[in-house]
Amino acid sequence: DAKTTQPNSMESNEEEPVHLPCNHSTISGTDYIHWYRQLPSQGPEYVIHGLTSNVNNRMASLAIAEDRKSSTLILHRATLRDAAVYYCILRDVTRSGNQFYFGTGTSLTVIP
Amino acid sequence: DAGITQSPRHKVTETGTPVTLRCHQTENHRYMYWYRQDPGHGLRLIHYSYGVKDTDKGEVSDGYSVSRSKTEDFLLTLESATSSQTSVYFCAIGGGQGAYNEQFFGPGTRLTVL
Repeated sequence: DAKTTQPNSMESNEEEPVHLPCNHSTISGTDYIHWYRQLPSQGPEYVIHGLTSNVNNRMASLAIAEDRKSSTLILHRATLRDAAVYYCILRDVTRSGNQFYFGTGTSLTVIP
Repeated sequence: DAGITQSPRHKVTETGTPVTLRCHQTENHRYMYWYRQDPGHGLRLIHYSYGVKDTDKGEVSDGYSVSRSKTEDFLLTLESATSSQTSVYFCAIGGGQGAYNEQFFGPGTRLTVL
């Protein structure tokens, strides 16, 4: 399965936008890009996913490069509750069974 | 929140003893998963189930076995616990084929093997 590369950590000031990058140069045509986040002492939770077009939901936006080799999760106004580890995952939806390879993610610190 | 519970939430045991962790769901999902999470490794899949009595291995399955005798319960067993199995264990449901099938995670079980 294709893997992703993310920075180990990032910092952001509260109420400012945050751009979390992810590289996935070996992505295949059937891979969807998913983002999950893990708050301290909790299990991961779904944030957003997309295939080719940019996506928006109540939590975040996902910007996908035209060649699909990279993507960016955008938090429009960071709050202290957004401090978490963010995972970028490629998911081959044609396969049954496990498609979730979490890697080590990006640890986001939000500074008050 | 998805109805997923894990028991116990914390456990301390000794090397060589058997340990069973339970995951219980009320969502009637076909797919269930067991992950472990260790510093520097993120989450790694141990085993998963795609139906009652249907299970398969993940990337770190050595030393673990699973069973699923009914839809709502997925058990993870460490036949003879070792210190290297000290970890936080997460159960998840959902996934499966299809882009919109997200996974939902339980609260985790912290296991310490002395």
